[in-house]
Amino acid sequence: DAGITQSPRHKVTETGTPVTLRCHQTENHRYMYWYRQDPGHGLRLIHYSYGVKDTDKGEVSDGYSVSRSKTEDFLLTLESATSSQTSVYFCAISSGGKTQYFGPGTRLLVL
Amino acid sequence: TQLLEQSPQFLSIQEGENLTVYCNSSSVFSSLQWYRQEPGEGPVLLVTVVTGGEVKKLKRLTFQFGDARKDSSLHITAAQPGDTGLYLCAGDKGGSEKLVFGKGTKLTVNP
Repeated sequence: DAGITQSPRHKVTETGTPVTLRCHQTENHRYMYWYRQDPGHGLRLIHYSYGVKDTDKGEVSDGYSVSRSKTEDFLLTLESATSSQTSVYFCAISSGGKTQYFGPGTRLLVL
Repeated sequence: TQLLEQSPQFLSIQEGENLTVYCNSSSVFSSLQWYRQEPGEGPVLLVTVVTGGEVKKLKRLTFQFGDARKDSSLHITAAQPGDTGLYLCAGDKGGSEKLVFGKGTKLTVNP
């Protein structure tokens, strides 16, 4: 299994508060991704990174920002959490060649 | 607009039965992947198909990529309870390291 961890694994927060999720890899892969998974919608790309400090938006990026200051870490920030951002968030990594390796996920509940 | 349509959305069968899951699109893909996701975990890659008409076998699982590279199928022979999970197809349209995911087929194999 690829060395990829996510923290926290579970979080409950209140509407309007900022939240940061962390993805950490030990594989030195160039590409990193943040997805959210919701019933009826499948996996949707929020943001992705193609190198340190190089990021781009996915299909559902509104309300989210990301940062990648080191190869191994990719942070996802919900600037002001809303109930619609209650979801399961997955980080994935890739060395190129399309195969993506997923982390275990973070369950976020926004009350 | 969902680029990849998976069917059926839900499937519940008895152990020993055969089943086929479909992944269809009006778009052409450079490659298509199938992932399996178990509850509480991230998706795990099963196979990648690249060539139109390609057939790949993984034990009791048979994957096929359509001749026009717009669709794919997953056939499971003699399903077992361990096959239970969410099956996701993901397409690569080329030109980037992003994948487009279908919404998934949730398979339950009853003993």
